[in-house]
Amino acid sequence: AQSVTQLDSQVPVFEEAPVELRCNYSSSVSVYLFWYVQYPNQGLQLLLKYLSGSTLVKGINGFEAEFNKSQTSFHLRKPSVHISDTAEYFCAVSSSNDYKLSFGAGTTVTVRA
Amino acid sequence: EAGVAQSPRYKIIEKRQSVAFWCNPISGHATLYWYQQILGQGPKLLIQFQNNGVVDDSQLPKDRFSAERLKGVDSTLKIQPAKLEDSAVYLCASSLGYRNQPQHFGDGTRLSIL
Repeated sequence: AQSVTQLDSQVPVFEEAPVELRCNYSSSVSVYLFWYVQYPNQGLQLLLKYLSGSTLVKGINGFEAEFNKSQTSFHLRKPSVHISDTAEYFCAVSSSNDYKLSFGAGTTVTVRA
Repeated sequence: EAGVAQSPRYKIIEKRQSVAFWCNPISGHATLYWYQQILGQGPKLLIQFQNNGVVDDSQLPKDRFSAERLKGVDSTLKIQPAKLEDSAVYLCASSLGYRNQPQHFGDGTRLSIL
């Protein structure tokens, strides 16, 4: 079975500053990786995904992530955040065995002016 | 396109009572998921349907939880009887298929057990 560890539970950041959210995974088989965002009192929305190909993945709202197989990581980055990026961010992994999503515990990003 | 619809948005019940949640997926989506999200945790898959058949219910507490998806469209999730530890947000999601197709989530039902 696969698992996900999000290394930061809370990340405070100032508006227009860069942000990086760290995600590590473990799996014995090939994996597929995802980042979701959850705004207060809403469901999850897909930001980006890595299935194969280029290890640098670009998503919506200016986010990008890089798949690093040797370090089993899939960190999410944004060069300049806005107040509206305040939300909970979840890293998730699925495997080629069953395609079920396993989510990390989430990282709360708070953007301050 | 219309998103995944869930109702009710909030529900408060006492322990040992029963409760039901309803989900209407995006039209044409064959795969439907129910997740439980406890405060401070990521969503945990409870059950996955492919059309009206169950693909995976390995993490569904079957002594108290049940789910059905009649006619391969709408779905209901029921808890009977509820326990304090069932307090959570219950999320429904749907996708065209299950092999890494993007999952689209509803806004969830927040359940509080007193």
